[in-house]
Amino acid sequence: AQSVTQPDIHITVSEGASLELRCNYSYGATPYLFWYVQSPGQGLQLLLKYFSGDTLVQGIKGFEAEFKRSQSSFNLRKPSVHWSDAAEYFCAVGEGLTGGGNKLTFGTGTQLKVEL
Amino acid sequence: DVKVTQSSRYLVKRTGEKVFLECVQDMDHENMFWYRQDPGLGLRLIYFSYDVKMKEKGDIPEGYSVSREKKERFSLILESASTNQTSMYLCATRTATNYGYTFGSGTRLTVV
Repeated sequence: AQSVTQPDIHITVSEGASLELRCNYSYGATPYLFWYVQSPGQGLQLLLKYFSGDTLVQGIKGFEAEFKRSQSSFNLRKPSVHWSDAAEYFCAVGEGLTGGGNKLTFGTGTQLKVEL
Repeated sequence: DVKVTQSSRYLVKRTGEKVFLECVQDMDHENMFWYRQDPGLGLRLIYFSYDVKMKEKGDIPEGYSVSREKKERFSLILESASTNQTSMYLCATRTATNYGYTFGSGTRLTVV
């Protein structure tokens, strides 16, 4: 069964500092990988996704992520964090479904706090 | 923009009550999902549906059922609510050919 590990429950960074959120996955085939962000009281918003091709993917809000097959990782990065980036971040891996579509398995999330 | 609307943001129900959580989407998406979100556990899949009247169990279906009579509406049913079902419930949709999910804003259910 597929699984996702986000080893950092909480991370605190200063505004303007760089950010890296870690994600490791377990999946037998080529994974479909996603990062979502959840602001307080809101649903989840897709930041970026990886299906194939270039292993460095760009997303919204200045985020990027790099797929490393050898490390089973899909870490999220941002060169300079803004106070508005404070939120919870979820990594997810997609699995194909009989009948079409896929289902996502999520990590437990990383809560990002930004110090001014 | 795709809209996924969950009927209630906050809900308080009593133990033993039958509870309906409704989710409506406006973009003709085939796949719909119900997740529950708990601190430290992330999102866990309860049930999903890839077509009208079709449903599949997710990872934690116990104590829940679902209904999808129309393509745009996917209902989560708690047959007899219990306190351990206090949680945030998130509905999501996606097309069969596009892997991006769209989430609703969630329903925070408290069972007392």
